[in-house]
Amino acid sequence: GAVVSQHPSRVICKSGTSVKIECRSLDFQATTMFWYRQFPKKSLMLMATSNEGSKATYEQGVEKDKFLINHASLTLSTLTVTSAHPEDSSFYICSAENQPHSGNTIYFGEGSWLTVV
Amino acid sequence: AQTVTQSQPEMSVQEAETVTLSCTYDTSESNYYLFWYKQPPSRQMILVIRQEAYKQQNATENRFSVNFQKAAKSFSLKISDSQLGDTAMYFCAFMTTEYGNKLVFGAGTILRVKS
Repeated sequence: GAVVSQHPSRVICKSGTSVKIECRSLDFQATTMFWYRQFPKKSLMLMATSNEGSKATYEQGVEKDKFLINHASLTLSTLTVTSAHPEDSSFYICSAENQPHSGNTIYFGEGSWLTVV
Repeated sequence: AQTVTQSQPEMSVQEAETVTLSCTYDTSESNYYLFWYKQPPSRQMILVIRQEAYKQQNATENRFSVNFQKAAKSFSLKISDSQLGDTAMYFCAFMTTEYGNKLVFGAGTILRVKS
């Protein structure tokens, strides 16, 4: 079946540095991918919609200059947390649809734990 | 008002018994998609069951079934013969053009299956 892979699964970075998280659809092309943030025991909070070949659409309250999203190909979207601070520490998850707007199965990556020290 | 409401923050059930998780939602659309996702301690999001709003028949996947009440905007999940591996956070979600065809999640219900 379709698989979405995230890398790295865990990353620790120093405060002030940038860190990149990759989201890949392994056996289907995804024109749209989604990035979520999840705090402990909380729901998934949509950060942005990543569109292949165009700018990402950010949800209200999400700093687009801090959370840079690039969807350079039909199988890869990246989230870069710039000038990371400890409050950016969180669990980040991506998802992708193989048929947009159809309600078909949405596949999630395994998630990435970011710790900023 | 919340778009997707899961009114049970935590629930527990004995192994082999049945448990029902509740979910209500709000939309003015007539066609949309409803989902239940399971998130075990590994944090991997796993699709449990999916329902299309225009289908009256309740979806079923093995031990998992839903009670979809469209007029009441209710979408509860029933887990039969609960197993220890069912212990997880369960999220109700829906997708509709009213909300940009993006998944909208409820707050989640932590389910603990006890032996």
